[in-house]
Amino acid sequence: QQPVQSPQAVILREGEDAVINCSSSKALYSVHWYRQKHGEAPVFLMILLKGGEQKGHDKISASFNEKKQQSSLYLTASQLSYSGTYFCGTDWTGANNLFFGTGTRLTVIP
Amino acid sequence: NAGVTQTPKFQVLKTGQSMTLQCAQDMNHEYMSWYRQDPGMGLRLIHYSVGAGITDQGEVPNGYNVSRSTTEDFPLRLLSAAPSQTSVYFCASSPAPWVALYDTQYFGPGTRLTVL
Repeated sequence: QQPVQSPQAVILREGEDAVINCSSSKALYSVHWYRQKHGEAPVFLMILLKGGEQKGHDKISASFNEKKQQSSLYLTASQLSYSGTYFCGTDWTGANNLFFGTGTRLTVIP
Repeated sequence: NAGVTQTPKFQVLKTGQSMTLQCAQDMNHEYMSWYRQDPGMGLRLIHYSVGAGITDQGEVPNGYNVSRSTTEDFPLRLLSAAPSQTSVYFCASSPAPWVALYDTQYFGPGTRLTVL
């Protein structure tokens, strides 16, 4: 039931780009991306809906491949504030429940 | 709006003790959920509710009870605490249906529980 995220960890220098992937074995209604800083609650980044709709902000965007049930999160020109653990949450029941991956730890260094 | 609030922030229990983790939201959301987060395991769904009076089990419900008597509150009860329940617990709420509303789950600040 849990989606699979890759990579597990990545280290970037400021200004570099990164891609985080999320794969599900279930057909999905939506994919949600969150960022969590140490000791804090997950914070919503964006939602991708079945049908290819996309939401995003700033220099963070995402895609959703319905045929493969895969989503990718793109972080461009990374900033120090992007550091944290990124989780994808997948909704395959349509009941407003999210099943989360184990996370990708992103570290941005000067 | 205060959003989703949780109490307490920290709790230490002895094995066998019981306690209730409180969760409240002021956004009039129908859906509420409880997750636990363990190192390397991500967030796992314990119980959820689709509205007042309606609850259901998630992935890891054993050892926990919930009830939903009002839209605002969704307490989580540990019946007889065990060291395996040491974790960080997050409550979340969401509007329904989130697909139509382009919305998502909102998380509370979490409760860090240690069972000795």
